[in-house]
Amino acid sequence: NAGVTQTPKFQVLKTGQSMTLQCAQDMNHNSMYWYRQDPGMGLRLIYYSASEGTTDKGEVPNGYNVSRLNKREFSLRLESAAPSQTSVYFCASSEIGAEETQYFGPGTRLLVL
Amino acid sequence: EDKVVQSPLSLVVHEGDTVTLNCSYEVTNFRSLLWYKQEKKAPTFLFMLTSSGIEKKSGRLSSILDKKELFSILNITATQTGDSAVYLCAVDTYNFNKFYFGSGTKLNVKP
Repeated sequence: NAGVTQTPKFQVLKTGQSMTLQCAQDMNHNSMYWYRQDPGMGLRLIYYSASEGTTDKGEVPNGYNVSRLNKREFSLRLESAAPSQTSVYFCASSEIGAEETQYFGPGTRLLVL
Repeated sequence: EDKVVQSPLSLVVHEGDTVTLNCSYEVTNFRSLLWYKQEKKAPTFLFMLTSSGIEKKSGRLSSILDKKELFSILNITATQTGDSAVYLCAVDTYNFNKFYFGSGTKLNVKP
């Protein structure tokens, strides 16, 4: 049981390049989330998926797209990276209705030059 | 607008001190409030609070929720250097299971 896994761990991009951050969970959770964390800003929600086949915008969705490929996987895509997207990205999952919390992946550190 | 506000933003104490971290919230369809500890990587879960007035304890850490006044506190007694971390407060809602996070309190415990 690996919990929530994310790839890659680190990435350096040039402005304008694109990339996809991958996230997978093996806990059979319905809900999955993408957050970014910047110094002093706490965690900010980018997108979330309440269940397979649905996605919704969070607090800071501009410049990102997501795909809920199946129940296990939720990917985050940067189509044209900008320096303002330099951040640490966390994926998380949780189960609706259960006495549970969110489980977080280890994070992806992204640097956009 | 839904929001979660934590205070103070940062705190420096010495080992053995007791600290109280605050979290206030304004959200619709509140379900629960959660506390996390974040050291270098992903946040790790500390407590989940759903009912007012019931204290949750884990070792030197305890937390309580006031749903009338819309806030929670996290207490750490006899602090140790290993308690140094960012403590995050989050509110879970019935809005499609959306969570709202505060910006965190950075705690630095000096020897």
